[in-house]
Amino acid sequence: EVQLLESGGGLVQPGGSLRLSCAASGFTFSSSAMSWVRQAPGKGLEWVSGISGGGDSTYYADSVKGRFSISRDHSTNTLYLQMNTLRADDTALYYCAREAGYSSADKIDYWGQGTLVTVSS
Amino acid sequence: AIQMTQSPSSLSASVGDRVTITCRASQGIRNDLGWYQQKPGKAPKLLIYDASSLHSGVPSRFSGSGSGTDFTLTISSLQPEDFATYYCLQDYSYPLTFGPGTKVDIK
Repeated sequence: EVQLLESGGGLVQPGGSLRLSCAASGFTFSSSAMSWVRQAPGKGLEWVSGISGGGDSTYYADSVKGRFSISRDHSTNTLYLQMNTLRADDTALYYCAREAGYSSADKIDYWGQGTLVTVSS
Repeated sequence: AIQMTQSPSSLSASVGDRVTITCRASQGIRNDLGWYQQKPGKAPKLLIYDASSLHSGVPSRFSGSGSGTDFTLTISSLQPEDFATYYCLQDYSYPLTFGPGTKVDIK
């Protein structure tokens, strides 16, 4: 059974940093591209970032480019999202998600339950 | 980035009704489109992938169609557990982009 468990969310001041983690299990982690998707309170879904199965290709939404960095550790089957220079509009529930493919864009077939990030002074 | 639009943004329907939601891409995306269902306080769930393929475990009352720029999600006979928000997602290219969602509630 595919399981994705996010952690690392919390309250942070504007301009601050936070690192989210996603522990993956139930599938061959290195064979799947992974993504982060967020949802602001009461709003729709927004794709944030993606990384290929091998970790050599990364992709970002324009809204986070230059501030967020995605990475993965195959020794621990963990996906990360380093978030810097956080702004109030980054406040959202952040979901870890598995893509069905390895390198190119593919459907998201499994989701974690999310970790809440609140950016406020 | 490819822009996705959905219509309607919301609809009211009764149990047993046939419901249709449309999604349009700003450029051709072949059949690289998925449909997701999200209930309040829950993570989204994949219903349809590759525009018309039913994800494992999804009831057959859900179906999808379309290719290129225009896509449709149909629920043939709405059930009480189907009241939720539905999103389309293009996975043709990065950045992946979602439609704004369609909320289906009880009439």
